[in-house]
Amino acid sequence: AQKVTQAQTEISVVEKEDVTLDCVYETRDTTYYLFWYKQPPSGELVFLIRRNSFDEQNEISGRYSWNFQKSTSSFNFTITASQVVDSAVYFCALSGKDTGANSKLTFGKGITLSVRP
Amino acid sequence: DSGVTQTPKHLITATGQRVTLRCSPRSGDLSVYWYQQSLDQGLQFLIQYYNGEERAKGNILERFSAQQFPDLHSELNLSSLELGDSALYFCASSGWDRGAYEQYFGPGTRLTVT
Repeated sequence: AQKVTQAQTEISVVEKEDVTLDCVYETRDTTYYLFWYKQPPSGELVFLIRRNSFDEQNEISGRYSWNFQKSTSSFNFTITASQVVDSAVYFCALSGKDTGANSKLTFGKGITLSVRP
Repeated sequence: DSGVTQTPKHLITATGQRVTLRCSPRSGDLSVYWYQQSLDQGLQFLIQYYNGEERAKGNILERFSAQQFPDLHSELNLSSLELGDSALYFCASSGWDRGAYEQYFGPGTRLTVT
């Protein structure tokens, strides 16, 4: 069975601080995908990144960066110089391959990030 | 805009009633997934359809059912509603994008059972 653990439930930072959101996953699949989604107060789920299990390169997109470490089954997300607009709930998710029965997303409980001005 | 549409956006109904949530996937996407987001259970997978056939089932109650029609839109039927069914219901469709299948989420239907 697949499992995603986001041990942090709520984080509060002051604007311009850096913040790291942790994600630990469990799976028996050799090929899998990891995701981060953002859910702003308006409620929609916004896709941020997908990472394939065979690609351990870290990724940076503007103020966002992701650190994937297979050895520790972690896929952490860092926001640099946080802004008030970053306030949202962030979900880490895991799926198996493609369109098969294992392709559903398994979500963590989410981390509520509050960025204060 | 993900290209996935869900109607209605909000739904308020009473216990014991039945409702139907509708999802139209992105053009060309064959897979549709339904997810439920509630305060106590978080975001959880309910059911997946692929080209009209059920592909996978998650924690979906027997009072809930779904189907995918020939035009690929999907409906989630919730019956004998209970207060605990109040939740945000998301539909996602899956298509090939940038070397893998990507799930694109609709805006959700917020169901309130009173």
